[in-house]
Amino acid sequence: EIVLTQGPLSLSVTPGQPASISCNSSQSLLHSDGKSYLFWYVQKSGQSPQLLIYEVSNRFSGVPDRFSGSGSGTHFTLKISRVEAEDVGVYYCMQGIQHGFGQGTKLEIK
Amino acid sequence: QVQLVQSGAEVKKPGSSVKVSCKASGGTFSSHGISWVRQAPGQGLEWMGGMIPFFDTTHYAQKFQGRITIITDESTTTSYMELSRLRSEDTAVYYCAREAMDSDHYYGMDVWGQGTSVTVSS
Repeated sequence: EIVLTQGPLSLSVTPGQPASISCNSSQSLLHSDGKSYLFWYVQKSGQSPQLLIYEVSNRFSGVPDRFSGSGSGTHFTLKISRVEAEDVGVYYCMQGIQHGFGQGTKLEIK
Repeated sequence: QVQLVQSGAEVKKPGSSVKVSCKASGGTFSSHGISWVRQAPGQGLEWMGGMIPFFDTTHYAQKFQGRITIITDESTTTSYMELSRLRSEDTAVYYCAREAMDSDHYYGMDVWGQGTSVTVSS
């Protein structure tokens, strides 16, 4: 079973400042097709989760370019270049091979 | 633009079963997959099962094997998730989500239902 470990579990950021969330996998997420299947989702209060990033680094349609994903193998990162108030929520990484989620990282505004 | 509309809240007794539906409007599931994810109160997301790109058939998380059945009826563009032998720990919000893919990319779960609350209580 692939286990994803996120860090930190909570984050308090001043608007306009950057934020970074790590996601470490217990096994490589590199598939035999040469792609890594790591996704990022955000769940805002009272809402269904929303897709942010697919295949490690591709922003989903409509996602602001202040969001970026990177990484390879077992180490992945979601970065927000300048946090805005609307970014408040819980961020989850998910591996697409066995479909497990990380524990979630709660982002708050200072 | 496809939307996923789920059935309403349920209250169930321990030991019983629940069946939650997820209807696609404005589109179909064909050429895509469907996953079911749940979230217990105050907890994170937990993938339960679904039709995902790396498997030819519906695949279930080991934790739910033997208790869960997911079927998709293309004629009505509706997916169903049935969970049996319910216990109090199954109290959660259950989501369906479309697994989107094309020849170039696997986009992940790009469209989500609104969630269905299931309460298991005696």
